Amino acid sequence: DAKTTQPNSMESNEEEPVHLPCNHSTISGTDYIHWYRQLPSQGPEYVIHGLTSNVNNRMASLAIAEDRKSSTLILHRATLRDAAVYYCILSNNYGGATNKLIFGTGTLLAVQP
Amino acid sequence: EPEVTQTPSHQVTQMGQEVILRCVPISNHLYFYWYRQILGQKVEFLVSFYNNEISEKSEIFDDQFSVERPDGSNFTLKIRSTKLEDSAMYFCASSEYLNTEAFFGQGTRLTVV
Repeated sequence: DAKTTQPNSMESNEEEPVHLPCNHSTISGTDYIHWYRQLPSQGPEYVIHGLTSNVNNRMASLAIAEDRKSSTLILHRATLRDAAVYYCILSNNYGGATNKLIFGTGTLLAVQP
Repeated sequence: EPEVTQTPSHQVTQMGQEVILRCVPISNHLYFYWYRQILGQKVEFLVSFYNNEISEKSEIFDDQFSVERPDGSNFTLKIRSTKLEDSAMYFCASSEYLNTEAFFGQGTRLTVV
């Protein structure tokens, strides 16, 4: 399973943008880049995913480097509710009927009021 | 918004007893998963399920574990003879297609005493 590297923790101020980096230098051509987050005492929650192009949705934006060896999750205006562990995960079904997610330790985002 | 529902939210069981954890995935989803998270540790993949059969399982998912989709709506995880080390939060997830977002339930906290 392709590996990702994220900072252990980051801090942000409320209502400011947050850029969460992820390195995935061994990514293969068919690996999708997924971001999930886990709020305290809750199950993981999907944030965004992409393959090659940058992606935007109501929660966040995903910027993918041209060589795909890194990506950045962008929260445009952090709120206190965004305090969570953010996971960057590479997933590929490799032709099989599964898209298992291999979670690392993620980045613990603290948001200060 | 559709959601994955898990019951019970908390189960306490004696070592050696069988437990069944229940999940109701989102109704039009085709791919189903179980994950677990031991307190303070990473979320770990257990098993994926598609078309009424296991598509992939991890090393954790040994002969003590089984999954079933008994009636087309429920998705269950059975642990035949629980051990102390099975104490964890168990999350069910489902997705409509491959390489799309996975929806996670709120989890069942299993405590083995």
